This record gives sequence, C-alpha cells and structure tokens, in this order.
Amino acid sequence: LAKTTQPISMDSYEGQEVNITCSHNNIATNDYITWYQQFPSQGPRFIIQGYKTKVTNEVASLFIPADRKSSTLSLPRVSLSDTAVYYCLVGTNTGNQFYFGTGTSLTVIP
Amino acid sequence: SAVISQKPSRDICQRGTSLTIQCQVDSQVTMMFWYRQQPGQSLTLIATANQGSEATYESGFVIDKFPISRPNLTFSTLTVSNMSPEDSSIYLCSVDGVVDTEAFFGQGTRLTVV
Repeated sequence: LAKTTQPISMDSYEGQEVNITCSHNNIATNDYITWYQQFPSQGPRFIIQGYKTKVTNEVASLFIPADRKSSTLSLPRVSLSDTAVYYCLVGTNTGNQFYFGTGTSLTVIP
Repeated sequence: SAVISQKPSRDICQRGTSLTIQCQVDSQVTMMFWYRQQPGQSLTLIATANQGSEATYESGFVIDKFPISRPNLTFSTLTVSNMSPEDSSIYLCSVDGVVDTEAFFGQGTRLTVV
C-alpha cells in the first residue's frame, strides 16, 4: 500500500488560494489519488479524486505530475468554513478500504 | 451518494462492558467498513464487512474484541467488547460509493470508557 506524507498543519488567510501537497513515492500503477475533508465531530467527506494530470470540480482542483509521486490539492479562495483536516489517500478502485495518513490540519484566519 | 446513520452518536460506558454500534445505509451496498479514530488522530481501518461472510480484520484488530455483523446489504453492527479506557475513540462506518473509489462515512459514534 502506498504511504502518503502531508504537512501536519497549515494556516491561510481568508480569500487566499491554498495548496496542500501530498507525497506518495511508491504509488502503484492502479492507484488513484483521493482527497477527503473532515470537520470536527463529522465523518470524512469526499472532495476530489484523480489518476493523472489535472482534475477540477466545483470545490477544488487536483494536480498530479507525470510521475504521480506527489499530488497537490488546490482550494481557491478559502473561507473560514474551510478550516478542517484534509486527508490524501492512495489506493485502487476495488474494495474501498482506505488507509488514512496523518492528514493536514488547515486553519483559515480572518 | 449514500446516507449513513450511526447509532448511538455518543455513549459513556463502564470498563468491562460492551457496546454495539449500528450502521444503517439508505441503499444496498456490497462492502461496509469500520474505522476507529482516536482523539486527535487519523482514521484507522478496523475491518471490512461483506454481507454473508465473516468480516476481514486489519492487523491489530481481532474478532473477539470487535465482533461485526452484516445481516443484509444495508446494515452492519460493530461491538466493542470488554471495554477499557483505551477504547475511547470515535468509531465510524463507511460504505462504497458509486463513482470510482469515493466512499461515504457516517457521522461517527463517540465512545468514552470510564
């Protein structure tokens, strides 16, 4: 299973773009990269998923370089409500059992 | 998407007792997953539960301590047996999504053992 490494915490001001990078050096050919968001006292919530290059949805963008050994979650113009823990996960699209890393605690400052 | 209901949402239990946590999904799903999240920590997968077969446990978790039932495609239970204060955690249920590897999580059950 590919292990992921993320910064433990980040701070950002409201309205700024936030980029959270995740390293996954031993990612396998069949692995996807998925990001989840977790607020206190809630279960994780799916944000975005990708395999390579760039993926964008209404919430975020995910950038994956050609070697796929890292990925960057980009949150445009964050607000206070984006304060949460963000998890990068790597795994295949079978089974859905996820192995969570430490996550990145993002604090958005007014 | 899938809507997951967990019961109870929280409980305070005496050491040595057992608690059964219920997970109800609003649609039929093949696989259900149980996680533990200790205070201030990330999520750790406990086991995978398929309907009609025994659950598959991750390293460090055993059936005697965390028995799991999966009687049908919309319901599962996790029992935390012979509890000790070290079992104080949030326990979360998760199910397969429909799109790629997206998964859906319940709100969790906050367990405090005293």
